[in-house]
Amino acid sequence: EVQLVESGGGLVQPGRSLRLSCEVSGIIFDNYAMHWVRQAPGKGLEWVSGISWNSKMIGYADSVKGRFTISRDSAKNSLYLQMNSLRDEDMALYFCAKSISHVLVAGTMYFDLWGRGTLVIVSS
Amino acid sequence: DIVLTQSPGTLSLSPGERGTLSCRASQSVSSNYLAWYQQKPGQAPRLLIYGASSRATGIPERFSGSGSGTDFTLTISRLEPEDFAVYYCQQYGSSPWTFGQGTKVEIK
Repeated sequence: EVQLVESGGGLVQPGRSLRLSCEVSGIIFDNYAMHWVRQAPGKGLEWVSGISWNSKMIGYADSVKGRFTISRDSAKNSLYLQMNSLRDEDMALYFCAKSISHVLVAGTMYFDLWGRGTLVIVSS
Repeated sequence: DIVLTQSPGTLSLSPGERGTLSCRASQSVSSNYLAWYQQKPGQAPRLLIYGASSRATGIPERFSGSGSGTDFTLTISRLEPEDFAVYYCQQYGSSPWTFGQGTKVEIK
């Protein structure tokens, strides 16, 4: 069974840091680019960041560039998101998602598998 | 960035009726790289359509996508009880990959 299981969310103060993890099973992790997509409470979806199979291609939304860092570990079949300098507007449910290709290329950046999400609450 | 505007915001229909959801892009979507997702409360989104008109694996035939350029449509031919949900379009023709704000399909 294919599973993407996120963890690491929680309550954090503005300006602090948090690291999200996504453990992937049931697929060949190294064959695919992986992404983080978030959803603020009651709002729509926003692509946050993506990383190619070999970590050589990485992209970020402008809203998180310079503050968030995406990474992956093939040995652990895991995806990560290091979130620094958190802001109120970063509060959201963060989904781990898989795209269909191994690279970050237009035409392949849709998401056919998703985790259930981990909730990040930014509040003092 | 390509802005996707979905309409209507809410669609009130009865089971068995036809649902037509619109997604309009602020500029042409390259090669019709447009996807549709369904999201139910407390669940992750589920891919329905990619390439504007190709159904994803396991998606019933009552879901169909059409359109090109800047105007796209998701049609649900006969609504089943499990189809009442929020639907999002997403373009993946140019970075950043953007989503529409969603259309909620509710039971009338």
